[in-house]
Amino acid sequence: NAGVTQTPKFRVLKTGQSMTLLCAQDMNHEYMYWYRQDPGMGLRLIHYSVGEGTTAKGEVPDGYNVSRLKKQNFLLGLESAAPSQTSVYFCASTKTGTGQYFGPGTRLTVL
Amino acid sequence: QQQVKQSPQSLIVQKGGISIINCAYENTAFDYFPWYQQFPGKGPALLIAIRPDVSEKKEGRFTISFNKSAKQFSLHIMDSQPGDSATYFCAASMRETSGSRLTFGEGTQLTVNP
Repeated sequence: NAGVTQTPKFRVLKTGQSMTLLCAQDMNHEYMYWYRQDPGMGLRLIHYSVGEGTTAKGEVPDGYNVSRLKKQNFLLGLESAAPSQTSVYFCASTKTGTGQYFGPGTRLTVL
Repeated sequence: QQQVKQSPQSLIVQKGGISIINCAYENTAFDYFPWYQQFPGKGPALLIAIRPDVSEKKEGRFTISFNKSAKQFSLHIMDSQPGDSATYFCAASMRETSGSRLTFGEGTQLTVNP
């Protein structure tokens, strides 16, 4: 039981490049989330999903897209990376009524 | 709009002392209040959580105190140890709506000196 895993762990992009972050969970959780964490700002929700095939916007969705084609996977895409998207990205999952379980994070730098 | 406010931003405690972190929320529809612990380079980990039908929950050295009328809750770490040094986040959610989304406080960096 690996819990929540994230790929890759680190990535450096140039402005304008695109990339996809992959989140996978093996706990059969319905809900999945993508957060970004910046110094002094806590965790801010980017997008989330309440089930396979569904997605919804969080607090800071601009510049990101997501897809949930399979229940166990939640993908976060950056179509045209900007330096303001330099951050640590965390994926989390849960089922209703329990706390969220977080992955180890992806550290992204956009030059 | 910051719906969950956390204080202090940083806290230094001596080994064996009590660490206290406070949070205040605005939305009375919140019905689940977890605390997360995060070590450098790691993801947040669920530490302890409370629902508003109780005023206190204790797990080992960690206790949540909850004051529904004041819309405040706090984390108490008894007999604080250097291994407790981490960043702590409070959060709140409405479990049955909004996809169990969590609203986080800004975090408290706790340092426990030996």
